[in-house]
Amino acid sequence: GAGVSQSPSNKVTEKGKDVELRCDPISGHTALYWYRQRLGQGLEFLIYFQGNSAPDKSGLPSDRFSAERTGESVSTLTIQRTQQEDSAVYLCASSLQGPGGTGELFFGEGSRLTVL
Amino acid sequence: AQSVTQLGSHVSVSEGALVLLRCNYSSSVPPYLFWYVQYPNQGLQLLLKYTSAATLVKGINGFEAEFKKSETSFHLTKPSAHMSDAAEYFCAVFFGNEKLTFGTGTRLTIIP
Repeated sequence: GAGVSQSPSNKVTEKGKDVELRCDPISGHTALYWYRQRLGQGLEFLIYFQGNSAPDKSGLPSDRFSAERTGESVSTLTIQRTQQEDSAVYLCASSLQGPGGTGELFFGEGSRLTVL
Repeated sequence: AQSVTQLGSHVSVSEGALVLLRCNYSSSVPPYLFWYVQYPNQGLQLLLKYTSAATLVKGINGFEAEFKKSETSFHLTKPSAHMSDAAEYFCAVFFGNEKLTFGTGTRLTIIP
């Protein structure tokens, strides 16, 4: 596609339910990132993929969070047993290179998650 | 610890006035520096980036930023604000650890 696509754009769920967020990067972009943006805060790094491997998972807040990527394509971020503090906008970005190449990150519009 | 600080979570300027958004970082090694803008209900987009070439970097929509190593700063400026500049602005730094570290953002409001 022309840009990074994320779905769903909005998700309201009940505490304790699992959610899955999807990211379609720009075709040909090898690097893919997930960030979390809580209300009034900056972007918090979650995980980075180079191809389908994740060299840096250091930002995942707990073992309830997991992510996978199929080849150099779609990525899914799964949150199990959601808690109210998981409420945030989850942003996905892709890049032609990893950050070491100083390549520009292209962001999707985000998935807004609300946990009741 | 490596960090990015944006002074002022909210900045208001009059239309036609100078825009100055501040960004400081902590690092002993000059990093790569970026400014991103997020318009309402849109994703982030790159305004400009510094990657060790010229210290004064020009970006889109008339914005520019100057890298000052001695001050560990990368402030964003625009000589004359336009109503369409109202948005949230994020400074981001690549410290060499495979991820961009973002500041907390500055929401810019333009007063007619």
